[in-house]
Formats: sequence, structure tokens, C-alpha cells
Amino acid sequence: EVQLLESGGGLVQPGGSLRLSCVASGFTFISYGVSWVRQAPGKGLEWVSAISGGGDATNYADSVKGRFTFSRDNSKNTLYLQMNSLRADDTAVYYCARNTAIRGGFFDYWGQGTLVTVSS
Amino acid sequence: EIVLTQSPATLSLSPGERVTLSCRASQSISNYLAWYQQKPGQAPRLLIYDVSNRATGIPARFSGSGSGADFTLTISSLEPEDFAVYYCQQRSNWPLTFGGGTKVEIK
Repeated sequence: EVQLLESGGGLVQPGGSLRLSCVASGFTFISYGVSWVRQAPGKGLEWVSAISGGGDATNYADSVKGRFTFSRDNSKNTLYLQMNSLRADDTAVYYCARNTAIRGGFFDYWGQGTLVTVSS
Repeated sequence: EIVLTQSPATLSLSPGERVTLSCRASQSISNYLAWYQQKPGQAPRLLIYDVSNRATGIPARFSGSGSGADFTLTISSLEPEDFAVYYCQQRSNWPLTFGGGTKVEIK
């Protein structure tokens, strides 16, 4: 069974940093790209970042480029989203989602999400 | 950036009714379109990918169609569990983008 489990969310002050983790299981981890997708309270879905199966290619939404860094450790089946210079509009539930291809694509499995709140 | 516009924003319907949801792209995206269903407090679920292919375990009452820049999700007969928000998403170009969603609510 494919599973994705996020952690690391919480309350952080504007300008602060947070690192999200996502542990994957139930599939050949290196064969799939993974994305982070976020959802602000009461709002729609926003793709944030994607990483290729090998971890050698990353893409970012303009809204987070230069502030967020997506990485993966294929020996631990774990993904990391380092979020720096956080702003109030980064407040959202952050989902990790498996891509249907080694890079990019659609999202066929999702975690349960972790809430990030940026507030003073 | 490819913008996906979904319409209508909200649909009020009764169980058993046929539903047609629209997703229009700001440029041609070939067949690189998916549909998701999201219920309150839950993660989205993939329904349809590459315009018309049902994801694993998705009932046959869900179908997708379209090409180029105009796409449709159809639910042939609404079941009580189908009341939710539906999103389209394109994978033609980076950044990957979602439509704003259509809420299907009980009339």
C-alpha cells in the first residue's frame, strides 16, 4: 500500500524557517517524482515544488522560488521541504503527493497534510 | 503560466442528477489534464488523468472528455458521496497548475 506521511508543520513567526518531511512507503521510491502541494485555509490547491525520482531536478512555483528548497534522501525514502523567509501567505496545509512520472505529471497518492501557520 | 478556469464555481444539485463540470486552459495543453475530488478535511483524490482515463478504483459514473484547451468532467448520476469540490490540473508546462475548483453541493 502506497503511503505518504508528512510531518514538521507548526506555528512560525514571519521571517522564520521550518522544515517539512515526508516519509514514503509501499512503492519503488526512486522511480517516482514527488511534489508538494499546498492549500491555504478555505482556498484551492497550489502546486509548490517538484523533485525528480533521482533528486537531480527540481522545479518551484514563483511564489516560493529562492525561499524553499526541496530535497530527497532515497536511502531513507524521505523528502524534505526547507522553507525559509516565511510569510503570512505561506500559511496552508502542505501535502506531499506522488507524481505519476519520474518527473512532473499528475498526483496519484497524497499524504494527509501538515499545517503550517505563519503568524506573530 | 497556464491558467485553468473552472466553471461554474458552485453547482447545487440533487442525487441522481447528471453533472457536467468545465475546465478551460489559457492555451492548448494537449491531453495533459487531470481531475481531482476533495472532500472537507481530506486530501484530494485523483479521479481522471490524461483527460479521460479513470484512476484506480474510480467508478464508471465519472468520465472525462475534451482536447486542446476545453475539458469536461461528467458524473452520470450523482451519488451522495460525490458532493465535494472538484479541481482540474495540467501537466503540460511548468509550473504545474490547478483550476480554482467547482463545488458540487446538495440542493
